[in-house]
Amino acid sequence: GESVGLHLPTLSVQEGDNSIINCAYSNSASDYFIWYKQESGKGPQFIIDIRSNMDKRQGQRVTVLLNKTVKHLSLQIAATQPGDSAVYFCAENSSGDYKLSFGAGTTVTVRA
Amino acid sequence: ETGVTQTPRHLVMGMTNKKSLKCEQHLGHNAMYWYKQSAKKPLELMFVYNFKEQTENNSVPSRFSPECPNSSHLFLHLHTLQPEDSALYLCASSQAGGRGEQFFGPGTRLTVL
Repeated sequence: GESVGLHLPTLSVQEGDNSIINCAYSNSASDYFIWYKQESGKGPQFIIDIRSNMDKRQGQRVTVLLNKTVKHLSLQIAATQPGDSAVYFCAENSSGDYKLSFGAGTTVTVRA
Repeated sequence: ETGVTQTPRHLVMGMTNKKSLKCEQHLGHNAMYWYKQSAKKPLELMFVYNFKEQTENNSVPSRFSPECPNSSHLFLHLHTLQPEDSALYLCASSQAGGRGEQFFGPGTRLTVL
């Protein structure tokens, strides 16, 4: 079956630096991607999404990049803050399928 | 607040107990989901309901029994669970058809003794 995975299970970042979290997917039919953030004791929260007709999308302090050629997705967080400490998941689905497939998550820890 | 609530937030039960998890969404969505989240593993989809009809049972053991009485409420009935069923159980909702963001509740932390 298809799989969605993140390259690194943990990431330690100095406060104020930029963070980059990576995700690889294997389903070439995937055309919609979401990044979620999960803080301790909470459910996953939507950060940003991107459709396959785009290769970049920006939000507030976050940017998602999509490289369909190598099936790679990344989330960039600018000026990382202590409140950014959480587990980050990528998820994908393909046209005609309502199910999301999730990666295992990257735990981001922000150092003061 | 995501508009999806779950109760209880924590549950400890023995293997012979029967308990139920409750989820309620206030977003006007027509699709609801149960996921299991275990440590270091991706979210596992368990059940999907679209317009109150179950459209997905992802090979879940029969000791987990879902119920969706209306588009706003979703239950997960538990009986004779095993210790390996201990996990965070997350409920989510979305627009029917599921294309787009799913909104998650805070989860129920379940411990089976």
